[in-house]
Amino acid sequence: EPEVTQTPSHQVTQMGQEVILRCVPISNHLYFYWYRQILGQKVEFLVSFYNNEISEKSEIFDDQFSVERPDGSNFTLKIRSTKLEDSAMYFCASSDEAASTRPQHFGDGTRLSIL
Amino acid sequence: GESVGLHLPTLSVQEGDNSIINCAYSNSASDYFIWYKQESGKGPQFIIDIRSNMDKRQGQRVTVLLNKTVKHLSLQIAATQPGDSAVYFCAEALLSNQFYFGTGTSLTVIP
Repeated sequence: EPEVTQTPSHQVTQMGQEVILRCVPISNHLYFYWYRQILGQKVEFLVSFYNNEISEKSEIFDDQFSVERPDGSNFTLKIRSTKLEDSAMYFCASSDEAASTRPQHFGDGTRLSIL
Repeated sequence: GESVGLHLPTLSVQEGDNSIINCAYSNSASDYFIWYKQESGKGPQFIIDIRSNMDKRQGQRVTVLLNKTVKHLSLQIAATQPGDSAVYFCAEALLSNQFYFGTGTSLTVIP
């Protein structure tokens, strides 16, 4: 069964440094998402991406965050200047139709630790 | 605003018993709901979904019930197995490209 894959599984970064989290969505999917989950808390929406542009973003997704689909397979989340509170699990998801009609399929996440 | 929450943060059941996990949502305009299962160290895994024009949907050993009158969603797991131990989230979509997740219920199956 096709899967969403994320790399790395664990990223440790110094505060203030830039970090890029990578995702390979399921190949025939058209909608892409990033979520974050702080330890012990619920999964929070960050951003959705469709047709090479952001379609929705939450308040969490401020100017420090950006997303990109640099080629036909990868989908990345960049945090420009990391803060301690950015420490969390970051999940990538994809779906073949819009979120209100079809389930999103999640990767196993990248654990981001900011020191 | 939208909010999705769960009544109980933890639930323990004996192996073989049925489990019921509940979820409340606040936005009556929500039209699509999903239950996800999250095992330790993994991402949310799709279990079952239901649209607002339905009251009930059944899958393999799982049933989702939707009560729009009281804005309540439940997940029933039949003959619970140790492999069902996980955190279960409900999520709602509101004619948009994002899901709102609840806090989660941790299900522990006692052998």
